[in-house]
Amino acid sequence: AQKITQTQPGMFVQEKEAVTLDCTYDTSDQSYGLFWYKQPSSGEMIFLIYQGSYDEQNATEGRYSLNFQKARKSANLVISASQLGDSAMYFCAMREGQGAGSYQLTFGKGTKLSVIP
Amino acid sequence: DAGVIQSPRHEVTEMGQEVTLRCKPISGHNSLFWYRQTMMRGLELLIYFNNNVPIDDSGMPEDRFSAKMPNASFSTLKIQPSEPRDSAVYFCASRLDSDQPQHFGDGTRLSIL
Repeated sequence: AQKITQTQPGMFVQEKEAVTLDCTYDTSDQSYGLFWYKQPSSGEMIFLIYQGSYDEQNATEGRYSLNFQKARKSANLVISASQLGDSAMYFCAMREGQGAGSYQLTFGKGTKLSVIP
Repeated sequence: DAGVIQSPRHEVTEMGQEVTLRCKPISGHNSLFWYRQTMMRGLELLIYFNNNVPIDDSGMPEDRFSAKMPNASFSTLKIQPSEPRDSAVYFCASRLDSDQPQHFGDGTRLSIL
């Protein structure tokens, strides 16, 4: 089974609208971390937001929020008030375990978001 | 604050040549990672350093690849000899500690002709 599943290869959203990018994960660890990264067409990988498995509140960073549903093993990224500059590939990633020995990030295949003016 | 700095941004060279990719992690970060990204395989971890020591190099494709971290502020990834199938984007990333996110450099787009 895939550890990170992003079921939407491509998404379109109207400028100024909100959009949700889906991510489900599979792990038997109790301690893990979930990350979202943005990769614009220029190629860099930009860290957006982090959610720890023990965090009780959903993470938020500006226009980004993470809809964390632990029982369903989902960590969807919500982008509010979409902007043209949000057009990019978005990757969900998971780190299993805790401590220095937990360094592997497992990435999903990504979702390509296109913002329409 | 300066992010992870990689050089060069682009490299085009002929097969058989030696290629050296460079990375300066974020100051104070004690973990450094080298990744390779291709359309076919996505992002693959090549090697992980902690406190300048290589901890996991199981992702290094073959003996043609080598990586060093002589000090806390510099790392290199070397391919010798290079082959066309090495063409990819190579990323360096660093993190402060285990519960912090990895921050990526802008990547090196490598083309081997």
